[in-house]
Amino acid sequence: KQEVTQIPAALSVPEGENLVLNCSFTDSAIYNLQWFRQDPGKGLTSLLLIQSSQREQTSGRLNASLDKSSGRSTLYIAASQPGDSATYLCAVRVNTDKLIFGTGTRLQVFP
Amino acid sequence: DAGVIQSPRHEVTEMGQEVTLRCKPISGHDYLFWYRQTMMRGLELLIYFNNNVPIDDSGMPEDRFSAKMPNASFSTLKIQPSEPRDSAVYFCASSTRRNEQYFGPGTRLTVT
Repeated sequence: KQEVTQIPAALSVPEGENLVLNCSFTDSAIYNLQWFRQDPGKGLTSLLLIQSSQREQTSGRLNASLDKSSGRSTLYIAASQPGDSATYLCAVRVNTDKLIFGTGTRLQVFP
Repeated sequence: DAGVIQSPRHEVTEMGQEVTLRCKPISGHDYLFWYRQTMMRGLELLIYFNNNVPIDDSGMPEDRFSAKMPNASFSTLKIQPSEPRDSAVYFCASSTRRNEQYFGPGTRLTVT
């Protein structure tokens, strides 16, 4: 059974710091991995999608990497801003089109 | 595109009442997913459809829950009768095959 874990559960950093969020999964047989952002009381916003054949994807200040063999993905946020404060969720897509979600990392960036 | 549309945004009902949640997926998406989010259990997949056909309903908690997709642009999730433990945020999402899932804003359900 696929399990997805995110570390740390919460993170508080000053504005301007570069930071890394971690996601690990137990079964490397995935089709892709997706990173989401969720603001309090809101839905999920897709940030990046990495196909299983890819190593990384970039969008603006965000960079996501994928190491399928070791069951790990990282989300790198450069020059963090208070507006980046949210919960970040990773999810892996398994062979039945299902997304299996991690428990999330709650990020706070203070001025 | 307007994105995934869900209604109502908030629903407060009494235990025992029937609740119907609605979802309109993004046009052209052939997959539709219903999720439930709680503090205790996080995000759980309840059921998903492909081309209006239910593919996997193993996440539906019990017979009180049912979902339908009568056409490509509309789906419902019904709870009958509702119970306090059903209180959660229910999300609908849509996608094309193995591509990004796009989520709606969710319906916050409170059962008293």
